[in-house]
Amino acid sequence: NAGVTQTPKFRILKIGQSMTLQCTQDMNHNYMYWYRQDPGMGLKLIYYSVGAGITDKGEVPNGYNVSRSTTEDFPLRLELAAPSQTSVYFCASSYKEAPYSNQPQHFGDGTRLSIL
Amino acid sequence: KQEVTQIPAALSVPEGENLVLNCSFTDSAIYNLQWFRQDPGKGLTSLLLIQSSQREQTSGRLNASLDKSSGRSTLYIAASQPGDSATYLCAVKRKDRGSTLGRLYFGRGTQLTVWP
Repeated sequence: NAGVTQTPKFRILKIGQSMTLQCTQDMNHNYMYWYRQDPGMGLKLIYYSVGAGITDKGEVPNGYNVSRSTTEDFPLRLELAAPSQTSVYFCASSYKEAPYSNQPQHFGDGTRLSIL
Repeated sequence: KQEVTQIPAALSVPEGENLVLNCSFTDSAIYNLQWFRQDPGKGLTSLLLIQSSQREQTSGRLNASLDKSSGRSTLYIAASQPGDSATYLCAVKRKDRGSTLGRLYFGRGTQLTVWP
C-alpha cells in the first residue's frame, strides 16, 4: 500500500531558485493538504484542496503555489526560494473532511528542504 | 486563535515506566483531538482520536483523555518500551470562520526516549 508518496525526500536549493515538491496519493481521497514543520515546532497548514480544480490558502501560504489537476496529485511550488522556507514539508490526504468529520489524515514521509 | 501547548517538551524514562504526556488548548470549541506519533525522518501516524463528545479513547497500552471544558488532554502510555521512543504530537480540529475546512492545530510535540 503506497498511501501518500512525496518526492524528493531531500533537497538543497540556492536563494532565488524554484522547485516543485511532488505529492501523490492512491487512496482516492478528495482532500489533500500541505504542511510545513519547522524545527521544534508543530505543523502549520500552507494550502489545501477539497477536490480536483479547487485549492485554498491555509495559515502560511505566502511564497508558495499549488495546483490540483487530478485527484491523485497535489504539487507544491516554490517560485523564489528564501532561507525562511527551510523546513520539512508534509503532504497529507483524507477521504472527506467536513468540520465534524473524524476521518484521519494520512501523511507522507516528508521532504526536507534547505535553502542556502 | 487556537494555541496548542504540549508539556514536557522532552521526556526520558527507563523501560517499563508508566508515563503521561500533556496537551492543552486555548479554545474549547473543537470538533476532536488527535494524538500522533512521529518517528525520525517519517511522517505522522494517527494514534488516537477523541471526538469532542467523548472523554477518552484506548488503544492497547495507550489511553487518551479529553477534558474539553478545561482545554486539556493527556496521553497515558502504560509499561513503556524502547519502541515507544518517538515524538508525540497533539492536534485539535476546529472550523475557522469563513472556511469549509475543519483545520488541525498542532502542538510542538513531546520527544520521548525510553531506554532499556
